[in-house]
Amino acid sequence: KAGVTQTPRYLIKTRGQQVTLSCSPISGHRSVSWYQQTPGQGLQFLFEYFSETQRNKGNFPGRFSGRQFSNSRSEMNVSTLELGDSALYLCASSRREGSDTQYFGPGTRLTVL
Amino acid sequence: GQQVMQIPQYQHVQEGEDFTTYCNSSTTLSNIQWYKQRPGGHPVFLIQLVKSGEVKKQKRLTFQFGEAKKNSSLHITATQTTDVGTYFCAGRWAGKSTFGDGTTLTVKP
Repeated sequence: KAGVTQTPRYLIKTRGQQVTLSCSPISGHRSVSWYQQTPGQGLQFLFEYFSETQRNKGNFPGRFSGRQFSNSRSEMNVSTLELGDSALYLCASSRREGSDTQYFGPGTRLTVL
Repeated sequence: GQQVMQIPQYQHVQEGEDFTTYCNSSTTLSNIQWYKQRPGGHPVFLIQLVKSGEVKKQKRLTFQFGEAKKNSSLHITATQTTDVGTYFCAGRWAGKSTFGDGTTLTVKP
């Protein structure tokens, strides 16, 4: 069974631009969570989607948004990029929402110049 | 909000020595999960603990969940060079996962 895939793997943007990241969960998994990983802040929870609905949200500004499609694929959007948004963005899928094992994708490395 | 503190931040050991990392939560958790992230890689699920006082073993790794479901530990016996990486705990509460900052383990052969 294929693992979690994320595209693109690497991205370079400039301040003020927006970016869309994509995540395809493991087949059969309906829950997708997004995390931001930086050396200084560790792994920070962004949001979780299940059945196309946002179920939980972390403490990030409204510039960070996401959505989930009927096939469980998810996208994350960051608008008006700031230098501090440079990070590894990880998505994780699980079979169901709540307290289930999360399988992480390889991540998208975003650099904001 | 919920906080999960993980210590130590770094641990350097000689191959064959034991290693332990600890997680403490400010709130009672629904469960706690442990992940390992190799350098340049992504977190990989190791185990989930749900019950108060639960102890689980995976070969040389022993995981414990405290009686109050607020703390947990991961202990590795006789470390090997393949154990290098960052170990994260993730406490689950009210539908959200809060990760500790991780403990980065280096093993000197």
